[in-house]
Amino acid sequence: GAGVSQSPSNKVTEKGKDVELRCDPISGHTALYWYRQSLGQGLEFLIYFQGNSAPDKSGLPSDRFSAERTGGSVSTLTIQRTQQEDSAVYLCASSLELKETQYFGPGTRLLVL
Amino acid sequence: AQSVAQPEDQVNVAEGNPLTVKCTYSVSGNPYLFWYVQYPNRGLQFLLKYITGDNLVKGSYGFEAEFNKSQTSFHLKKPSALVSDSALYFCAVRDLYNTDKLIFGTGTRLQVFP
Repeated sequence: GAGVSQSPSNKVTEKGKDVELRCDPISGHTALYWYRQSLGQGLEFLIYFQGNSAPDKSGLPSDRFSAERTGGSVSTLTIQRTQQEDSAVYLCASSLELKETQYFGPGTRLLVL
Repeated sequence: AQSVAQPEDQVNVAEGNPLTVKCTYSVSGNPYLFWYVQYPNRGLQFLLKYITGDNLVKGSYGFEAEFNKSQTSFHLKKPSALVSDSALYFCAVRDLYNTDKLIFGTGTRLQVFP
């Protein structure tokens, strides 16, 4: 079956602009995670959705970051007023439910000029 | 706090030789441990996991990992390395007490030479 998909695969933007990154989880997976992979910080957790519960936003680095998940499926990560330090690969993962294996998408490579 | 450590930034091995990529963990309670591999410009691919049961876990592409509770280690191994195994390997622990998120090590780059 289809894996986790993310779009766009690459995004170049100017400092100060807003960007939206999309994640389509594996069909039927109730849990969805966003992580960020950057040179200085390694792989770090950003936000987590489980079913229809309120998301856990404890990993978001600033209030410029937000995410939503519509209908318990597709998720969008939004970064407002992008800064150069936001440049990273943003990875999305989904799992069937809590405590199950997380499967990752190919990521979105964001470059802020 | 839960954490994992990968003490080696890079591991070099000749094709056909056995390989080991090291990982140690620090957790409260029983650990849920994972190995992922990342090929260039690709996402993370799941290799294997330890939840409970046998200490030797077998995974994808001929990889296995040995859970050692006394040494708090979860080293990744393969009996005979392939050039195509060259990639970035991440050890991770599941944070059962906080959102179930994965906490990753810093990664180890495996280079297999022909």
